[in-house]
Amino acid sequence: GAVVSQHPSRVICKSGTSVKIECRSLDFQATTMFWYRQFPKKSLMLMATSNEGSKATYEQGVEKDKFLINHASLTLSTLTVTSAHPEDSSFYICSATDDRTDTDTQYFGPGTRLTVL
Amino acid sequence: GNSVTQMEGPVTLSEEAFLTINCTYTATGYPSLFWYVQYPGEGLQLLLKATKADDKGSNKGFEATYRKETTSFHLEKGSVQVSDSAVYFCALRNSGNTPLVFGKGTRLSVIA
Repeated sequence: GAVVSQHPSRVICKSGTSVKIECRSLDFQATTMFWYRQFPKKSLMLMATSNEGSKATYEQGVEKDKFLINHASLTLSTLTVTSAHPEDSSFYICSATDDRTDTDTQYFGPGTRLTVL
Repeated sequence: GNSVTQMEGPVTLSEEAFLTINCTYTATGYPSLFWYVQYPGEGLQLLLKATKADDKGSNKGFEATYRKETTSFHLEKGSVQVSDSAVYFCALRNSGNTPLVFGKGTRLSVIA
């Protein structure tokens, strides 16, 4: 099946620094990728829809200047948490659909756990 | 708008017990329905799906039937194993390349 990778899997940073998280579709192309945030013992909250070659679409309440999304190619989307603060600590998950086959199914990355000190 | 409601957990069962996790949804149009599973320390994996009314999705002994009349997609397994311990998410998606809408998740613990 389709594989989505994320890097890094864990990151610890100091308050005020920026952190970049990469999401890659390893064996398929994805025009659209999605970024989610998962709080402990909570469901996934959609943050934004990342479209290759165009600006991301952010959900209400998600600061676009805080969470920068770049979808530079059909296999890579990046999420940069700028000037991170402790409240940004969370589990960030990306997903993608295979444009060529089953656009109904989303394949998820393993997630990135961000801890801001 | 679209929403998914699933039973609150945690659910604790003995090995070989019957499992039901209820899921109901509200949606416009005719969504596809999914169950995803998240094992400890891992990302979400698609467990099964159904794309139209009366379809039954099945995988690894789990089943769920798309019931349009009751707007439900309950997850069932006849005999759970310790290895089934995980968090289960019900989700829906409208047609096209749109994001999933998730329920809050149900944590299942199976004890030997």
